[in-house]
This record gives sequence, structure tokens and C-alpha cells, in this order.
Amino acid sequence: KAGVTQTPRYLIKTRGQQVTLSCSPISGHRSVSWYQQTPGQGLQFLFEYFSETQRNKGNFPGRFSGRQFSNSRSEMNVSTLELGDSALYLCASSSAGTSGAKQFFGPGTRLTVL
Amino acid sequence: GENVEQHPSTLSVQEGDSAVIKCTYSDSASNYFPWYKQELGKRPQLIIDIRSNVGEKKDQRIAVTLNKTAKHFSLHITETQPEDSAVYFCAASTGANNLFFGTGTRLTVIP
Repeated sequence: KAGVTQTPRYLIKTRGQQVTLSCSPISGHRSVSWYQQTPGQGLQFLFEYFSETQRNKGNFPGRFSGRQFSNSRSEMNVSTLELGDSALYLCASSSAGTSGAKQFFGPGTRLTVL
Repeated sequence: GENVEQHPSTLSVQEGDSAVIKCTYSDSASNYFPWYKQELGKRPQLIIDIRSNVGEKKDQRIAVTLNKTAKHFSLHITETQPEDSAVYFCAASTGANNLFFGTGTRLTVIP
């Protein structure tokens, strides 16, 4: 099976703009989780979608949002970008909807905010 | 929320020696504990995981132990090789697919 894919791989934006990132899970996987990775804060959970419903949300401001489509592909959106939003955004897919399901990561989208 | 602490932050070992990375978690409801390896510029790769109803799990040179009472779990790598050099992350999950990660351990295996 093909792995998790993310587009675009690199993105440069300026403060105040908004951005949409896309994640395609492994075929058959219905859960998609999003994480932010920065040198200072490490890997932090943003939110998780399962069957088009957001089930969990991390401690991020409302500028960070997401959605999932019927084919399990997911998008996350960041509005009113700030310099501190520069990070590697990773998505991970899982086949099961329960805790303890293995999560497989995509290559990430490197977002730079100028 | 869940808080995961990971030690040490850096670890250097001679090739062939063992490496041990330790993590503690705060939420007794956590029931799934995966470990990820991330090489420079690459995605995190799941290397082993353990569930709360198991005390130990082994996969070739890699093993993980879990002490639910003490709320800590450890990764053990034996017979280390240069290709084991990477950053290793522990994580804990309290619910559906929301992983809380440790701060990472940079492992360097010296040939």
C-alpha cells in the first residue's frame, strides 16, 4: 500500500495570510491526526478526525482548524498566520478508531512564515 | 492533559553497546505507548509499541518495558549499530489517536 502523503511539501507565507495543508491517508485508514513539530515545542497534537468527525483537539488556538472528507483525506487550515506558526506539520493515519492503533506519519509540510 | 517526560536528551554509545531511553507519563488513563525513530529530514517511523495490559515487548534488538504503577516506560536497544543514530520519541495516548510526545532523545552510535 502507498504510504501517507502530504501536499505541499514546502510552503512560504507571510504574516496574516492563511494556508491549507492536505493529507492523504493510507488506503483504508479512516483516522487522520495532525501534529506540529518545532525545535522548541517538539511534537504537539493538533486534532484528530475519524469518519469526517473531529474527535479530539489539542491545545491550539482557533486559528487552527481542519476537516476530513468522505474519502478520509484531510485538510488543515491556519488563518492569520503568525511567525510562531513556522513548523513542520505532520499528519498520521490509522486504521482503527480506538486508542492503541498504530499511527503512520506522512513526510510533513514545512511551513515558513515570514 | 497528559505530560510525557523523556530522558536523556542526548545519548552517545559505542557501536555494539546497549542504549536505554526512559519516559514517564502523568495520566493514569494512558493506555498506549509507541516509540518513534526520526532520522534527519525524514518522517517519524514507528519502531515498537506497547499497550497497558503488557509489561514488556521485544522485536529483535529493540525492547520496550512498561511499569504502570510507576508510570514509566523505557526503550532498550541492544547491539547498537551506526544506522540506529537518530532522534527517538516516546509517546502516550489517553484516547483515540491523540499522541502526547516526549521531547526526544538524540542517539549517536559511534563506530
